[in-house]
Amino acid sequence: KAGVTQTPRYLIKTRGQQVTLSCSPISGHRSVSWYQQTPGQGLQFLFEYFSETQRNKGNFPGRFSGRQFSNSRSEMNVSTLELGDSALYLCASSLVVGSDTEAFFGQGTRLTVV
Amino acid sequence: AQSVTQLGSHVSVSEGALVLLRCNYSSSVPPYLFWYVQYPNQGLQLLLKYTTGATLVKGINGFEAEFKKSETSFHLTKPSAHMSDAAEYFCAVSGVRGGGADGLTFGKGTHLIIQP
Repeated sequence: KAGVTQTPRYLIKTRGQQVTLSCSPISGHRSVSWYQQTPGQGLQFLFEYFSETQRNKGNFPGRFSGRQFSNSRSEMNVSTLELGDSALYLCASSLVVGSDTEAFFGQGTRLTVV
Repeated sequence: AQSVTQLGSHVSVSEGALVLLRCNYSSSVPPYLFWYVQYPNQGLQLLLKYTTGATLVKGINGFEAEFKKSETSFHLTKPSAHMSDAAEYFCAVSGVRGGGADGLTFGKGTHLIIQP
């Protein structure tokens, strides 16, 4: 069974540009969440989608957005990139939504903003 | 609001020695608690989780953790460290908005170093 797939693995962008990251969840999983990981702030929750609807959102500016498609694949978009957006972006999928549901993480996309 | 505090950003133990990684949490609702491990350039892998029931939870790779409500702790242990255990370990809590993938609050992480 294939795991969570994130593309691309590495990305370099210039300040002011925008970027789109992709996440394919485990087959049959309908919940997809995104996290930002930085050395200073650690792992921070961005947002979560279930059945194409955003259910929860973390404390990030509106430059960070996402969506989920009918096949549960998800994309995350960051507009007007800032140097501080450099991070490892992790996607996680779950079979269903629930407090005790195991989250399976992808390997992440490492974004560098120069 | 919920939060997680991991004591010690770096922990060093000798191969074969006991591993103890500390985690304290704060939650306004009964918590669900998780330990994840992250190897370099990899995502996070679930080691174990506490939801309800038995407070001593056994996970993969010989790790276990005990939920102590009175101490608001969920420390991770392993009787005998192996070189392959060297990694970053994260404690996480959920329970306010629903956990699993949607809204885990993570600690800052503890880097486990294994000395030969």
